Amino acid sequence: NAGVTQTPKFRILKIGQSMTLQCTQDMNHNYMYWYRQDPGMGLKLIYYSVGAGITDKGEVPNGYNVSRSTTEDFPLRLELAAPSQTSVYFCASSYSVGMRVDQPQHFGDGTRLSIL
Amino acid sequence: GQQVMQIPQYQHVQEGEDFTTYCNSSTTLSNIQWYKQRPGGHPVFLIQLVKSGEVKKQKRLTFQFGEAKKNSSLHITATQTTDVGTYFCADTSGTYKYIFGTGTRLKVLA
Repeated sequence: NAGVTQTPKFRILKIGQSMTLQCTQDMNHNYMYWYRQDPGMGLKLIYYSVGAGITDKGEVPNGYNVSRSTTEDFPLRLELAAPSQTSVYFCASSYSVGMRVDQPQHFGDGTRLSIL
Repeated sequence: GQQVMQIPQYQHVQEGEDFTTYCNSSTTLSNIQWYKQRPGGHPVFLIQLVKSGEVKKQKRLTFQFGEAKKNSSLHITATQTTDVGTYFCADTSGTYKYIFGTGTRLKVLA
């Protein structure tokens, strides 16, 4: 099993450009998450999804959009990229029953994004 | 919102010394998870603690959950250069979401 796969691994964008960060998991996990991690800092939740067709905002959703049309895929869309969005983006997934999160999260390798 | 604080923020140790990081919450935790992130890598799950006062060991790593379930600790005995990285705790008390601690960055000097 590949686990959580993120593409691309690296990307440089110009201010104002848009792009989609791809995330797919093959573990049949129902919960998926997008985090950003600025240099030397912790993880900040951008968006999460508890199943296909269901998404919700995390603590830093501004400037981002997500969709979850299938269990496997959870792409993150950046519209009108800004320098403040330079960061490492991690996608993660977990399996949960009900509302509680008591299983490990599995992370992808991350996408390192620079906006110049 | 709910926050989980970790101390210290940074720790430099000489190889062979012990290391401890502490995770503190103002509210009662349901479960606590610990993750390790190597430099340039992604967080990797280490362990989950569920019961009050629980202690679990993984080789040189000892994890403890406080009696009141408001704090947790990770202790590494005789650190090695392979222990370098950032250690995060994560509170799983929330609905749908994991609340990650601020992290402790460990550097081991050979």
